[in-house]
Amino acid sequence: EAGVVQSPRYKIIEKKQPVAFWCNPISGHNTLYWYLQNLGQGPELLIRYENEEAVDDSQLPKDRFSAERLKGVDSTLKIQPAELGDSAVYLCASSLLAGGVGNEQFFGPGTRLTVL
Amino acid sequence: QKEVEQDPGPLSVPEGAIVSLNCTYSNSAFQYFMWYRQYSRKGPELLMYTYSSGNKEDGRFTAQVDKSSKYISLFIRDSQPSDSATYLCAIGGANSKLTFGKGITLSVRP
Repeated sequence: EAGVVQSPRYKIIEKKQPVAFWCNPISGHNTLYWYLQNLGQGPELLIRYENEEAVDDSQLPKDRFSAERLKGVDSTLKIQPAELGDSAVYLCASSLLAGGVGNEQFFGPGTRLTVL
Repeated sequence: QKEVEQDPGPLSVPEGAIVSLNCTYSNSAFQYFMWYRQYSRKGPELLMYTYSSGNKEDGRFTAQVDKSSKYISLFIRDSQPSDSATYLCAIGGANSKLTFGKGITLSVRP
């Protein structure tokens, strides 16, 4: 079974440029998560989707970050404009369910963003 | 106080050693407990998952949860160089939000 797929794996951009990350979750997984991981830190949740609905976006900096999950499968996370402090690894995860048994989260390899 | 605190590292042990990795948490509403392993430049990989207090064993790995003390541990027996990675504890509540520790980097010397 294929795992969570993310692209690109690496991205280098200049500050103030836009950038987008793409995620394809494990087939059949209804819940999708975007996390931010800074160097030496654990992942921090940015947004959680249940099917196509964003049910927790409280940690998403909405002035520059946006996300969508059309048709409840693939998802895109966008930053516009990027700032130096956005340099980090952006992880996508998915789980079968949001709560209870089946809520184990499986992570993709991440996109490493460098903003110059 | 952070919601999840993980013992700082890094940790270096000889091959074959028993490794103990620990986390404490502050919110008694947390319901489930996970350990992830993350190799360099890779995403976190789920190792262990448990709901209840007590021990859960999977091969060389044992996860231990003490809800009364708000303390979780991961034990690795007969550690191997391939176990060298960063280990993250993650704790979740009813809202499905996972809170991660900072991670500890383990190095197993051949």
